[in-house]
Amino acid sequence: AQSVAQPEDQVNVAEGNPLTVKCTYSVSGNPYLFWYVQYPNRGLQFLLKYITGDNLVKGSYGFEAEFNKSQTSFHLKKPSALVSDSALYFCAVRQSGGYQKVTFGTGTKLQVIP
Amino acid sequence: EAQVTQNPRYLITVTGKKLTVTCSQNMNHEYMSWYRQDPGLGLRQIYYSMNVEVTDKGDVPEGYKVSRKEKRNFPLILESPSPNQTSLYFCASSLYLAGGQETQYFGPGTRLLVL
Repeated sequence: AQSVAQPEDQVNVAEGNPLTVKCTYSVSGNPYLFWYVQYPNRGLQFLLKYITGDNLVKGSYGFEAEFNKSQTSFHLKKPSALVSDSALYFCAVRQSGGYQKVTFGTGTKLQVIP
Repeated sequence: EAQVTQNPRYLITVTGKKLTVTCSQNMNHEYMSWYRQDPGLGLRQIYYSMNVEVTDKGDVPEGYKVSRKEKRNFPLILESPSPNQTSLYFCASSLYLAGGQETQYFGPGTRLLVL
């Protein structure tokens, strides 16, 4: 069975500081990994997807994610946080090779403090 | 405008009364999916569909049915709703791009309360 862990329910960061939202996963075979964001009252949005190759994946709104196979991690990062980045972030995993079941983490609330 | 629409957006119903939540996308996407979101549990996939007449179970399919008779529509059916199906439901569609990347869109959500 596949699974995703987001160990922090909430992350607080000061505006302008770098941010990291952590994610670890478990899946058979090679993974596809995803990050999504849910802004208050704005629904869910897809941020980025890891397929294979480069361990640093660039996504929307200046976000990037770092894949680490040995640690089975896929942490979301941004060099300089904005107050508008405050939202709920979800990590997800899917087996590679076509459309298959996707499993999400429980989410991490990011609070960027002005 | 590319979009995924869901109806209704809000629904209050009673235990056992069959209901359908519709989902439609105008992007000709092959892959569609239903999720539920609950506090502390995050998002969980209910069912997904790879194309017309091809569906499969996600992590929490019990109590739900789906159908995919047309590419654009993917309704979620609760034959006999129960209070534990009270949740926020999202529909999504995806299209594979070159190199294995994807573009994904989510519907606005349907908030369901089962009394």
